[in-house]
Amino acid sequence: RKEVEQDPGPFNVPEGATVAFNCTYSNSASQSFFWYRQDCRKEPKLLMSVYSSGNEDGRFTAQLNRASQYISLLIRDSKLSDSATYLCVVNWGGTASKLTFGTGTRLQVTL
Amino acid sequence: DAGVIQSPRHEVTEMGQEVTLRCKPISGHDYLFWYRQTMMRGLELLIYFNNNVPIDDSGMPEDRFSAKMPNASFSTLKIQPSEPRDSAVYFCASSPWVAGGRGADTQYFGPGTRLTVL
Repeated sequence: RKEVEQDPGPFNVPEGATVAFNCTYSNSASQSFFWYRQDCRKEPKLLMSVYSSGNEDGRFTAQLNRASQYISLLIRDSKLSDSATYLCVVNWGGTASKLTFGTGTRLQVTL
Repeated sequence: DAGVIQSPRHEVTEMGQEVTLRCKPISGHDYLFWYRQTMMRGLELLIYFNNNVPIDDSGMPEDRFSAKMPNASFSTLKIQPSEPRDSAVYFCASSPWVAGGRGADTQYFGPGTRLTVL
């Protein structure tokens, strides 16, 4: 089983739609969680951290379910510029400073 | 403020040749990470340094790969000899130390080096 699993997609949605991605992780001791965004042929960039209570940043909402070991990202009112690959990322914690990346979910927003 | 700088941006070489990738982290960052990204395996951590000291190299695929960080502003990843299966995008990332937190959490990636081994 992969340490961090994501549906690779692609998710093709029209502009203005709401789209949600899920991600599952295998290590129940994981301590911090993130969504990174990667545009085509570019480097990954931090989109947002994911907190246990859930958090929102504009049109983006991230949630964490520790009991079920999954993380979600909701994008409302999709824009063309949201087209990218979204990487689910987990830090196992402890003294290690390692992030484990999922292989990403590709989103394509169309007119 | 300059971000993470990597060179070269593209490298095409022949099997058996030595390849050296370079990285300059963001000034003041304590952690430096080397990743490899392929379509099949996604983004994989190869090695990371804390204050120029290698902490975890368990992701380095084999002895052909080596990494050094001689000072806080420079790191290299070397492949010798290179093989076609090493073709990938290699990213360097850095992150600051955060009091009470985990140093890896907020990583800033360089633009990557696209390596093709023929």
